[in-house]
Amino acid sequence: QSVLTQPPSVSGAPGQRVTISCAGSSSSIGAGHDVHWYQQLPGTAPKLLISGNNNRPSGVPDRFSGSKSGTSASLAITGLQAEDEADYHCQSYDSSLSRIIFGGGTKLTVL
Amino acid sequence: EVQLVESGGTLVQPGGSLRLSCAASGFTFNNYAMRWVRQAPGKGLEWVSTITSGDATFYADSVKGRFTISRDNSKNTLYVQMNSLRADDTAVYYCVKDRGTSGWVMEYWGQGALVTVSS
Repeated sequence: QSVLTQPPSVSGAPGQRVTISCAGSSSSIGAGHDVHWYQQLPGTAPKLLISGNNNRPSGVPDRFSGSKSGTSASLAITGLQAEDEADYHCQSYDSSLSRIIFGGGTKLTVL
Repeated sequence: EVQLVESGGTLVQPGGSLRLSCAASGFTFNNYAMRWVRQAPGKGLEWVSTITSGDATFYADSVKGRFTISRDNSKNTLYVQMNSLRADDTAVYYCVKDRGTSGWVMEYWGQGALVTVSS
C-alpha cells in the first residue's frame, strides 16, 4: 500500500484535459515537502516530468503542469495526445517515515 | 549526456545473494547522491536505498540489514549488494541520479535490471 494515493487509471480523448491527483498527509505533502512527477512510457524506465511541484525540465511540453495545495497535489495534461499514454507516478518525502515515498501510479489511457 | 547502465540482474534462489552494478557517465559522479528504486511486476515504484556524495547511506525498512549500497568514484559505478533475497524482492531495479538540489528529485534513471527471486 503506497503512502501517496493516486487513482489507478484515468482516460481522456485526444485534445481533452485530464488531471491526476496525488493525496498525501500532514507529514508528507502537508509538511511542505515538494512533489515530483514521473512519466513511464510502456516498457521503459520512468522519466522526470515535473519537479518541485510545478517545474518542467527542459524538453517537457508546457501541456504538462503540476500544482500543490494542502496535503495533495495534481498533474494536469492539456491537449491530450496519443503519445501521452503512459503510467504517471508522484513522489515526495515523509518526515514521520523519514523516507522517500511514491504513489501507486496512474495509468493514462488516450481513447 | 547522462547515462546510467545497470547490470547483474538475473534469476536467483530464495536466500541467495546478488550484486547489481550501475555504470554512470556524462556527469561528475562523485558530486551527486545516487539511489536504487525498484518496481515489482505490475506495481508502483519503491525507493530502496540512497548513498550521498559524502557516502552516507539510507535504506528502506524492507531491505535494511539485507542490502548494502556502495559507490566507487574512481570507476563511476554504483552498487547494491543484496543478501538473503526473498520472493518479494523480485523487481526491476533502477539506478537513479539525484538532481543535486533539495527535494529528493530523481533526475535521471537507468534502463533497469530485472531481479527474479524464485526456486
